[in-house]
Amino acid sequence: SQKIEQNSEALNIQEGKTATLTCNYTNYSPAYLQWYRQDPGRGPVFLLLIRENEKEKRKERLKVTFDTTLKQSLFHITASQPADSATYLCALDVGYSSYKLIFGSGTRLLVRP
Amino acid sequence: EADIYQTPRYLVIGTGKKITLECSQTMGHDKMYWYQQDPGMELHLIHYSYGVNSTEKGDLSSESTVSRIRTEHFPLTLESARPSHTSQYLCASTRAGASGNEQFFGPGTRLTVL
Repeated sequence: SQKIEQNSEALNIQEGKTATLTCNYTNYSPAYLQWYRQDPGRGPVFLLLIRENEKEKRKERLKVTFDTTLKQSLFHITASQPADSATYLCALDVGYSSYKLIFGSGTRLLVRP
Repeated sequence: EADIYQTPRYLVIGTGKKITLECSQTMGHDKMYWYQQDPGMELHLIHYSYGVNSTEKGDLSSESTVSRIRTEHFPLTLESARPSHTSQYLCASTRAGASGNEQFFGPGTRLTVL
């Protein structure tokens, strides 16, 4: 069956360190992979998108990698801050005019001051 | 901040009542979506629309219905609410032909059915 896996355990790190979150998927061939941030009681907010032919994408302190052979994306936040504490969701876009996203359940990040 | 709005933000209602959750966006997006999300769980697509008069059921079966009479408006209706409908409902939209389908989400409606 098709599946997206994100670590269900919270990631707890010290301020200033790099946070690395993992998204693994099976039985999909996504055209794009997206990362969203979700704060408690709020809707997700789009952060980054990476295409199947891209290996890496950066935006300020954020970096996303995409390995279609391993079927894995890594999401990095460098120089993490307490304000980065939130749940981070990965989402697969199969593309091909489907315009639908399949979401993982997210990983909660806690950045200690 | 995305220009997509949901009302009410919170709703507590008794079993058997009919409810409508409102969703509006001012971005002129063709595609709109309803997701259901329980705490700590993934978002499940329950309905989507690719434009006016277009509605489709999503991957998660739902007893709700939707309509799309205007581009900016995509309400969700439950004819007879039940405790199993208790959840967070999120509305989203995206621009037609958007490369990569970045979705903009509303703040959500937290529904509790007693």
